[in-house]
Amino acid sequence: DIQMTQSPSSLSASVGDRVTITCRASQSMSDYLNWYQQQPGKAPKLLIYAASSLQSGVPSRFSGSGSGTDFTLTISSLQPEDFATYYCQQSYSTPRTFGQGTKVEIK
Amino acid sequence: QVQLVQSGSELKKPGASVKVSCKASGYIISSYAISWVRQAPGQGLEWMGWINTNTGNPTYAQGFTGRFVFSLDTSVSTAYLQISSLKAEDTAVYYCARDLDPEHYFDCWGQGTLVTVSS
Repeated sequence: DIQMTQSPSSLSASVGDRVTITCRASQSMSDYLNWYQQQPGKAPKLLIYAASSLQSGVPSRFSGSGSGTDFTLTISSLQPEDFATYYCQQSYSTPRTFGQGTKVEIK
Repeated sequence: QVQLVQSGSELKKPGASVKVSCKASGYIISSYAISWVRQAPGQGLEWMGWINTNTGNPTYAQGFTGRFVFSLDTSVSTAYLQISSLKAEDTAVYYCARDLDPEHYFDCWGQGTLVTVSS
């Protein structure tokens, strides 16, 4: 199984900050990496697929990069509605494992 | 618009069974796979497996074999998750999600179904 490790597990940031979350895979998986946002009590929402493709309707302040084993989700200017938990997920092989999540909190 | 609507919360006793439904609208259910994801209270997301909605063939992740069954009724555009011999540790929110081939990312999620197992 491919293990996905996110860092940090949590972070505190202010509105307007640039935020970066990283995800490392235990083996190379090309660009089969997706990012989801989950707000409390809600279903996850797809933000980025195939490492860097922005899902339709997602604000352009979200971006993804990386390939192989190392990936990054960047929020260029944090907005109040972005305080949530973010998960990476690999879709290179089954089981389609998720990272443990990164909680973005208000500073 | 594309939507997945799940059945409501369930409270079950240990040893009972539960069947969660996931109704697709806005697209033909057999066009895309359905994955199931579990989220235990306060925990992260765990992929349980998926069902090929063309063939009805399910694939289960390790840890979700035996008591978990994915099924499908294309006549009512609905996928199902059945869990038998429920245990307290099955208490969780269960999500269905549309699984896009070939990249297998999940672009549409159901709202989640809370299954609580308690005596």
